[in-house]
Amino acid sequence: QQPVQSPQAVILREGEDAVINCSSSKALYSVHWYRQKHGEAPVFLMILLKGGEQKGHEKISASFNEKKQQSSLYLTASQLSYSGTYFCGTYTTGGFKTIFGAGTRLFVKA
Amino acid sequence: EAQVTQNPRYLITVTGKKLTVTCSQNMNHEYMSWYRQDPGLGLRQIYYSMNVEVTDKGDVPEGYKVSRKEKRNFPLILESPSPNQTSLYFCASSFGGGREQYFGPGTRLTVT
Repeated sequence: QQPVQSPQAVILREGEDAVINCSSSKALYSVHWYRQKHGEAPVFLMILLKGGEQKGHEKISASFNEKKQQSSLYLTASQLSYSGTYFCGTYTTGGFKTIFGAGTRLFVKA
Repeated sequence: EAQVTQNPRYLITVTGKKLTVTCSQNMNHEYMSWYRQDPGLGLRQIYYSMNVEVTDKGDVPEGYKVSRKEKRNFPLILESPSPNQTSLYFCASSFGGGREQYFGPGTRLTVT
């Protein structure tokens, strides 16, 4: 029941765009996105809730398809500081657990 | 400063020696959670708490205990640690289930 993230890894040049996908087999109440740099704690980026509410980072956008139980994170004009591992966390309708995907490793090179 | 703190940050111990990892938040959050992170597996939830005196199992609760006697604190207890509990542990808190979570700095535990 862990959400599936794709791709597993991606390498970008500065200025390029990337899309990271998160797909769940269960009905979702919310999807959260986090970025983790090596040796550090995950940092909150974006939350998308059932019904359309969103809250997050200025330069990062995301979408949430409630019917398909899918979310996508869009990183545009990537910067070196975007490098890290991105996790989606899902919170299912009717449950109280938070379940994270295995992560997507993103590397931005100059 | 709003934050989640964990102690200790690093711990090396031996099999069977009881230990406690403390977690405290100063944001008046109701929901608190413990995760372990292992390479390739992402973050797996151990236990969570919806409020004081309300705790429940996550996906990997075996070998762990928790308590929530005060809103701000959520300690993780390993009564008889084993080598398969060697991992990086994170505590997190949020205003409620399903809301964005704020993570502590992590505790790297090695059990020999």
